[in-house]
This record gives sequence, structure tokens and C-alpha cells, in this order.
Amino acid sequence: DVKVTQSSRYLVKRTGEKVFLECVQDMDHENMFWYRQDPGLGLRLIYFSYDVKMKEKGDIPEGYSVSREKKERFSLILESASTNQTSMYLCASSLGTGYQPQHFGDGTRLSIL
Amino acid sequence: EDQVTQSPEALRLQEGESSSLNCSYTVSGLRGLFWYRQDPGKGPEFLFTLYSAGEEKEKERLKATLTKKESFLHITAPKPEDSATYLCVPRGSQGNLIFGKGTKLSVKP
Repeated sequence: DVKVTQSSRYLVKRTGEKVFLECVQDMDHENMFWYRQDPGLGLRLIYFSYDVKMKEKGDIPEGYSVSREKKERFSLILESASTNQTSMYLCASSLGTGYQPQHFGDGTRLSIL
Repeated sequence: EDQVTQSPEALRLQEGESSSLNCSYTVSGLRGLFWYRQDPGKGPEFLFTLYSAGEEKEKERLKATLTKKESFLHITAPKPEDSATYLCVPRGSQGNLIFGKGTKLSVKP
């Protein structure tokens, strides 16, 4: 089974802090993704990566950056956390070819106070 | 603009009462459609991939079908453990996933 592990289930930070969310997958997937999910909204794509050291902006990249130094690890960085970044953050991974589904971690519920 | 609409938004069933969830989509260059199940406080769990109109997939009490404009998730004799939010997720021509709000299913014993 595919395993996508997010380092924290719950996280509380303060406004202005730099926040790191970590994600690791164990299936040698090429593609990795970061989403946020808010009540009443569908999942929204923040950033994605098709290969090590590569990154692409998604639909809502403002206020975020990412890092992918190793194939299995994809980090989401909130440069200066703000209260409107309080959300559920979901990491996903998929194989690089064909009609492959994305597999999700269990999410990090982040609260910015 | 690519979009997906799921109906109903919420569905309450008695245990054993079969029903269907509807997914209408407008996607140019569809490259597959996925169904996921999401439990509260957890990430979406992959259920099915449908590649082309006419295709069907089954897993236990669930059966997913696909037409050129819609997909259906049929639930036969549901159990309380089937309670979850079900997400229909088309994939666009650029490989992007299109998420809607899902259907929240509650099955009462």
C-alpha cells in the first residue's frame, strides 16, 4: 500500500512565524502535491513537484514556498504565517505517467493564532 | 472553465437502503475521473479510476460508472461504516485534478 506520511496531525503557530510542514512518501512516486482544504470549499492546489528540485505553482501559491531536495520528501513552507492560513493541509503523491491517482496523507490541521 | 458539481450535498440513508450519488462535470480533454472517500479529519482515500465513458468499477458495496458528462457512485445495501464524504474528481487536460465539495453520506443503523 502507498504510504504518505505528514509529520504533524495538529500544529499551532503564531502570526509571523516561519512554519514548515513535512511530507514523506514511501512508493518512489515522481509527483508530489500540497493542497489546503477549508470548510465549504474543495481542495485547492498550492504547489506541486514533478521531480527532485523542481516545483510548480498551483492555484493559490501566495504566502507559501516548497522544497524538494529528495524524491521522497516534499516540504511546504509558510514564510510568515498569517491567520488566513489556518487550514487543513494535505500532501499527496502519484506516479509520473498515465492516469495514476494521487494518494493522500492524513493531513495537518494548522492553526495560526 | 473546468468544473464539477456533486449532488446531493448531503444524503442520509437507513442501513440497507441503496442509493446513488451524482457527479456532473464539464472538463475539456478529460484524462480520467477518480472517486475518493474522505472520513472526518483524514485525507481522501482512493477508491476508483474511470478512464472512458461506459466504464464501470466495483468494490464491495460500491459501483462507479462514467458517461461523457456524468459519473455515478451506486451504493448497494449500505452499512454505517460507509458513512463518509465521497469526492468525484475529474482530471483535466493539463493533468490537474478538479475538486468539488463532495457528497456527505450518513448511514444510520
